[in-house]
Amino acid sequence: QVQLQESGPGLVKPSETLSLTCAVSGYSISSGYYWGWIRQPPGKGLEWIGSIYHSGSTYYNPSLKSRVTISVDTSKNQFSLKLSSVTAADTAVYYCASGIQLRFDYWGQGTLVTVSS
Amino acid sequence: QSALTQPRSVSGSPGQSVTISCTGTSSDVGGYNYVSWYQQHPGKAPKLMIYDVSKRPSGVPDRFSGSKSGNTASLTISGLQAEDEADYYCCSYAGSYTFPFGTGTKVTVL
Repeated sequence: QVQLQESGPGLVKPSETLSLTCAVSGYSISSGYYWGWIRQPPGKGLEWIGSIYHSGSTYYNPSLKSRVTISVDTSKNQFSLKLSSVTAADTAVYYCASGIQLRFDYWGQGTLVTVSS
Repeated sequence: QSALTQPRSVSGSPGQSVTISCTGTSSDVGGYNYVSWYQQHPGKAPKLMIYDVSKRPSGVPDRFSGSKSGNTASLTISGLQAEDEADYYCCSYAGSYTFPFGTGTKVTVL
């Protein structure tokens, strides 16, 4: 059973870079699956941010593509999200998730990131 | 990449059936048989309920079913129970490994 756990700062200043990490247990990240980030602003719906495949290929939401980087660290069995030039609109609960094939089977518990000075 | 359209809310009495629609385009819902549905209780992470339009993961009750016609997918909950009260989101593969989500539907058990 794949288990995911997000970690990172809960408060980020405007114009800075949001950085989160998702630790994976129960599965080797280099063995397959794909790994992604999804966010949910307070009281709003889910938004797919992007995904990275075990091959290293990355795919991003076109609306966020210019500010997003997702990477994998196989030595630590974790993957990361960086979102640059954040504004208050980026305040959200950020979830990491993984999938077997074109769906999100496993989810982390989520972590709230607030953008404020 | 636009969000898929869902009704804001649906409701039903215990034992009844409710259906949630998810409308997209021929570039997402209508173009692929990769629609998934997620249940989210307040303060919790989403949970996969349906994948590949109509398949249920192990452990999901068979009163949850999915279907698709053209650019619209649907989730039906039969024999509604109190624990089914939650938000539900659809998600579709949209090519180039992108995944727009639906706007979300709140299911209320009366």
